[in-house]
Amino acid sequence: KNQVEQSPQSLIILEGKNCTLQCNYTVSPFSNLRWYKQDTGRGPVSLTIMTFSENTKSNGRYTATLDADTKQSSLHITASQLSDSASYICVVSAHGGSQGNLIFGKGTKLSVKP
Amino acid sequence: DAMVIQNPRYQVTQFGKPVTLSCSQTLNHNVMYWYQQKSSQAPKLLFHYYDKDFNNEADTPDNFQSRRPNTSFCFLDIRSPGLGDAAMYLCATSRDQGLPSYNEQFFGPGTRLTVL
Repeated sequence: KNQVEQSPQSLIILEGKNCTLQCNYTVSPFSNLRWYKQDTGRGPVSLTIMTFSENTKSNGRYTATLDADTKQSSLHITASQLSDSASYICVVSAHGGSQGNLIFGKGTKLSVKP
Repeated sequence: DAMVIQNPRYQVTQFGKPVTLSCSQTLNHNVMYWYQQKSSQAPKLLFHYYDKDFNNEADTPDNFQSRRPNTSFCFLDIRSPGLGDAAMYLCATSRDQGLPSYNEQFFGPGTRLTVL
């Protein structure tokens, strides 16, 4: 069964600190993996996308890694800001299947405190 | 510049009273999706349109219907909302399928539905 598991479920850090969020997946055949940021009461916004051959992708203070062998990804946030408080969702796309063949993780809720 | 627009942002309806949520896009994307997202859960795909071709997920209740009168607009109709249908409803679009750059989904801000 295709699944995406994220950890931790929630995380509280102080402003200015770094943090790393984890994503493990069992999706096959793998196409790509995305990290989305979802502010409370808003729709998800894409941060990074990685295909099988890519093992790291940066977007400002966000850096995502992908290990296709172990089927693990991480999202590292550097020098956190209050505006980073949000849910971060890992989404894996499988080859073939229907148009909507995205498997969503449940997200990690990050709270950045002053 | 808003690319995927959802109206209204907040909708309150009564138990059993039909409600329609709307989504429009300025991206000229071929594919439009409707998701249901309940608190602290991942979005759940209800259905999607590839152009005019409607694709229903197997476990989407019959209570949910959708219309796509043209490329830009897509509607979600809930015929008889129950208390369990209270959720955030997200609309998304993607250019096409295949390459990752084509199937990236762009989400709207969502409509939060409350059922009284």
